[in-house]
Amino acid sequence: GENVEQHPSTLSVQEGDSAVIKCTYSDSASNYFPWYKQELGKGPQLIIDIRSNVGEKKDQRIAVTLNKTAKHFSLHITETQPEDSAVYFCASSRSGGSYIPTFGRGTSLIVHP
Amino acid sequence: GAVVSQHPSWVICKSGTSVKIECRSLDFQATTMFWYRQFPKQSLMLMATSNEGSKATYEQGVEKDKFLINHASLTLSTLTVTSAHPEDSSFYICSARVSYNEQFFGPGTRLTVL
Repeated sequence: GENVEQHPSTLSVQEGDSAVIKCTYSDSASNYFPWYKQELGKGPQLIIDIRSNVGEKKDQRIAVTLNKTAKHFSLHITETQPEDSAVYFCASSRSGGSYIPTFGRGTSLIVHP
Repeated sequence: GAVVSQHPSWVICKSGTSVKIECRSLDFQATTMFWYRQFPKQSLMLMATSNEGSKATYEQGVEKDKFLINHASLTLSTLTVTSAHPEDSSFYICSARVSYNEQFFGPGTRLTVL
């Protein structure tokens, strides 16, 4: 089955710095890669996703890049703010109703004011 | 994005009682819903996949007689923890699949069994 590795497990940055979280996957047939933000005591919230026919996608301060050859994808957050502090999960999936997403172990991002 | 609600948001019960958690997709129809369990500072652990009108598919190690899942309609799935014990205390989260594997999560339910 699919295996998703996520690094680092903890990331501490100063406000205004950039943060990068990386994930690798094992199934070359995976073609959908979402990122979720989970605040304490809440459910994960989809913040950005990318499909395998695209190499990069941006949404304001957030961007995701995908390298299909190397089978890794990354989340980039620029100009971090204290409210970006949360746990971030990457996931990997195939299209089709029977496929179940595989999640990374999560990265705890701490943005110091 | 699509909205998924869960009820209740938190529940405290006595050992031996059963607890039902509801998961609703508010503005879309979800043929597939997922139930996860999350321990503190850990990732999401998939418990089961729930398809409307059919029996849920449970992950290995999850007791289907203890965690009853019913997906009666395209907008509602329920998880019932039967004869709950303190070790069942956890954060339970549901999610609903929209399309192309887009998945939206509910806010979670904190279960505490005394």
